[in-house]
Amino acid sequence: GENVEQHPSTLSVQEGDSAVIKCTYSDSASNYFPWYKQELGKRPQLIIDIRSNVGEKKDQRIAVTLNKTAKHFSLHITETQPEDSAVYFCAASNANSGYSTLTFGKGTMLLVSP
Amino acid sequence: EAGVAQSPRYKIIEKRQSVAFWCNPISGHATLYWYQQILGQGPKLLIQFQNNGVVDDSQLPKDRFSAERLKGVDSTLKIQPAKLEDSAVYLCASSSSGRTDTQYFGPGTRLTVL
Repeated sequence: GENVEQHPSTLSVQEGDSAVIKCTYSDSASNYFPWYKQELGKRPQLIIDIRSNVGEKKDQRIAVTLNKTAKHFSLHITETQPEDSAVYFCAASNANSGYSTLTFGKGTMLLVSP
Repeated sequence: EAGVAQSPRYKIIEKRQSVAFWCNPISGHATLYWYQQILGQGPKLLIQFQNNGVVDDSQLPKDRFSAERLKGVDSTLKIQPAKLEDSAVYLCASSSSGRTDTQYFGPGTRLTVL
């Protein structure tokens, strides 16, 4: 089955700095890669996703890059703000079988200090 | 649009007792997922339904866990008997069709087994 590794487990930055979280996956057939943000005690919420036919996607201060050859993808947050503090999860799935099963990484706790 | 609803939000039981969780997905969503999230880890898929049929239950401990989705809408997840290691947050999610669609999570049920 799919295995997703996520690094680092914790990341501390100053407000205004950039933050980068990296994930690798094992199944070369995976073709969908979402990122979820989970604030303390809250539900995970999708913040951005990327499919295997593109290499990069941006949404305001958030961007995701995908390298299919190396089987890794990264989340980039620019101009970080205290409200970006949360746990971020990457995930991977293969929808070729007709349905999508997400495998999640273990998460990265991002702390943004004012 | 109403989100995914779950109840109860919190449950404390003793080991060997039984417990059941309920989930109501977003209206019209064909696919429903149950995840187990142990503290400090990413969500792990337990079971996935497409309408009222099971498409993936490979990680469900079937000797003690069971789930059903009658009429393809609401779902219940049951643990009988519970073990200490079952202490976790149980998240329900739904998506429109089960392919590479966004999964929307409910608030979760925090289970503590004493």
